[in-house]
Amino acid sequence: DVKVTQSSRYLVKRTGEKVFLECVQDMDHENMFWYRQDPGLGLRLIYFSYDVKMKEKGDIPEGYSVSREKKERFSLILESASTNQTSMYLCASSALGGRQYFGPGTRLTVT
Amino acid sequence: KQEVTQIPAALSVPEGENLVLNCSFTDSAIYNLQWFRQDPGKGLTSLLLIQSSQREQTSGRLNASLDKSSGRSTLYIAASQPGDSATYLCAVRGRVQGAQKLVFGQGTRLTINP
Repeated sequence: DVKVTQSSRYLVKRTGEKVFLECVQDMDHENMFWYRQDPGLGLRLIYFSYDVKMKEKGDIPEGYSVSREKKERFSLILESASTNQTSMYLCASSALGGRQYFGPGTRLTVT
Repeated sequence: KQEVTQIPAALSVPEGENLVLNCSFTDSAIYNLQWFRQDPGKGLTSLLLIQSSQREQTSGRLNASLDKSSGRSTLYIAASQPGDSATYLCAVRGRVQGAQKLVFGQGTRLTINP
């Protein structure tokens, strides 16, 4: 069965902290994605990766960076967390041209 | 730029009814279209994937159709149950070379009343 896991379901951080969100998939998928979801704004793509060490900016990359050192793991980094980054963060993976499979989400609160 | 619209934003029906959710997209040059379900506070669950060459896909009580030329897809749910209550999102993947990302609609929040 397909599985995408995220390191935390809930996370509370202070303004200015460096935050790491981790995502792991067990399907040997080439593509991995980070989205954020906010009421009224829907899902917005932050970054995606189509291969190890490869990444492309999505629609809202400002304030974020990513790392993909291994095929199964894709990390989202908030260099200096701000209150406007309080959101639900969703990771997904897919094979080339295939379905996207999502993790359970991390609800991040920045105070 | 691709835009995806889902109408209505919310729908409430009694249990047992058959219902249709709508999704429209502005650019017909798509690679595929995917329907998802999202329960409150959870991630998305993939329901159906329709490739651009296909007209429909079925899974159990769900049937999704695709009309690329008119930029429309529908998700048909037969004999609805309270457990079908969730937000349903459609998303399209474009044909731009190298593009792997999806463009999502805002979703339809479905409530099935017992």
